[in-house]
Amino acid sequence: SQQGEEDPQALSIQEGENATMNCSYKTSINNLQWYRQNSGRGLVHLILIRSNEREKHSGRLRVTLDTSKKSSSLLITASRAADTASYFCATEGQGNNRLAFGKGNQVVVIP
Amino acid sequence: NAGVTQTPKFRVLKTGQSMTLLCAQDMNHEYMYWYRQDPGMGLRLIHYSVGEGTTAKGEVPDGYNVSRLKKQNFLLGLESAAPSQTSVYFCASSQQGEGFNEQFFGPGTRLTVL
Repeated sequence: SQQGEEDPQALSIQEGENATMNCSYKTSINNLQWYRQNSGRGLVHLILIRSNEREKHSGRLRVTLDTSKKSSSLLITASRAADTASYFCATEGQGNNRLAFGKGNQVVVIP
Repeated sequence: NAGVTQTPKFRVLKTGQSMTLLCAQDMNHEYMYWYRQDPGMGLRLIHYSVGEGTTAKGEVPDGYNVSRLKKQNFLLGLESAAPSQTSVYFCASSQQGEGFNEQFFGPGTRLTVL
């Protein structure tokens, strides 16, 4: 079943602006991961946040995790045209070794 | 280091035909996965493997079979293709399953069943 649900579904921003995406999930997790997919390509791992972490940074990416609300957010700062892609959150549930993916967020960065 | 590769990249089948999708990884990963991606549905897990010689069902296993005879290869078979199996198929691998490990994805196979 689909675990993650991203919100909003589609986002269009100007280059240089920040982009924020949210993800909610239903069950307890080991970790939550964000992936990027460029058109016609496979998914690429961006960042992983563990269930006992609240915030994590990687370059222009900032991820937060609120396990009490079962939600996460991905912030891309100072967006670039190359950030145009679909972004997926995925959760690894406790007691299993699989990821459940959300339906994805399409982000378009206008130069 | 090629990572995860998939063969073929594209394929068109007629209903009832069979085919095998091949996934290969050169990272010595234990875990391998097959997903399908349909518009508006995200990725859904078909089957996965936690090691050579093992396979397990995922979320949508019906109509598919898999084999993991060698650690580096994970095959996905369609015995009798149906139009509902038109999709983009992705293979992924990870060093180990539960814990803190990311999955590495192949470029995908676009399959059309007429």
